[in-house]
Amino acid sequence: EDKVVQSPLSLVVHEGDTVTLNCSYEVTNFRSLLWYKQEKKAPTFLFMLTSSGIEKKSGRLSSILDKKELFSILNITATQTGDSAVYLCAVADSGGGADGLTFGKGTHLIIQP
Amino acid sequence: DVKVTQSSRYLVKRTGEKVFLECVQDMDHENMFWYRQDPGLGLRLIYFSYDVKMKEKGDIPEGYSVSREKKERFSLILESASTNQTSMYLCASSFPGSSYNEQFFGPGTRLTVL
Repeated sequence: EDKVVQSPLSLVVHEGDTVTLNCSYEVTNFRSLLWYKQEKKAPTFLFMLTSSGIEKKSGRLSSILDKKELFSILNITATQTGDSAVYLCAVADSGGGADGLTFGKGTHLIIQP
Repeated sequence: DVKVTQSSRYLVKRTGEKVFLECVQDMDHENMFWYRQDPGLGLRLIYFSYDVKMKEKGDIPEGYSVSREKKERFSLILESASTNQTSMYLCASSFPGSSYNEQFFGPGTRLTVL
C-alpha cells in the first residue's frame, strides 16, 4: 500500500525565519511527487517533481526530490504571515487507470508576526 | 482560467438521507476525483473516474457511489448518510498521462450529517 508521511505535523515560527518541510514516501511505481498549499479552501498546486536532484523554485519557495532515499523537502525562506497554511505532499504512482494521488496528512505551518 | 466548481459550499443533512454532491469542471479533463478530508487523516481518495461512465474505487469507497454521465460532471452519492460521513469533500480533475499529474481542486463542500 502506498504511503506518504509528512513531518513535522505542525510548526510555529516567526516571520523572516526559514522553514523546511519533509515528505517521505513508499510507492510501488513512483511517477511524481507534488506539493500543495491549502489555506481555508481547496489545495493549490505548488510544485511537481519527477527527477532526483533538480530543484524547483518559485519565489521564496523551493523543493527538491531524492528518489534514492524516497523523500522530498519544501523550503520556504524569509517567511511571511501569508505563508501560514497546511502544506500537503502527494505522490502519484504509475499503476491504475487514473492519476490518483496518495496524500500525506499535511504540515500545519503558522508564521507569527 | 481553470475552474472546478462544486454545487454547495456547506450542506447539512440528516442520518439516512440520500445526498448528492455535484462537481463540474470546464477544462475538458478526462480524470475526475472525489476526496474527503478529515483532521489528522489528510486527504483520502473515495472514487475516481477516467472517462465518461467509467469509475474506480479509491481507498475508502464504502458508503459512497459515483456517477459520470457527462465528461464535465462527476457526482458523489451518499445513499444513506451517516454521521461518520461528516467531512469536507473535495473534487478534483486532471488530464491523464504522465505529464499532467497536476490536479485542480474545487472549493470543497463541508457536509454535516446530524
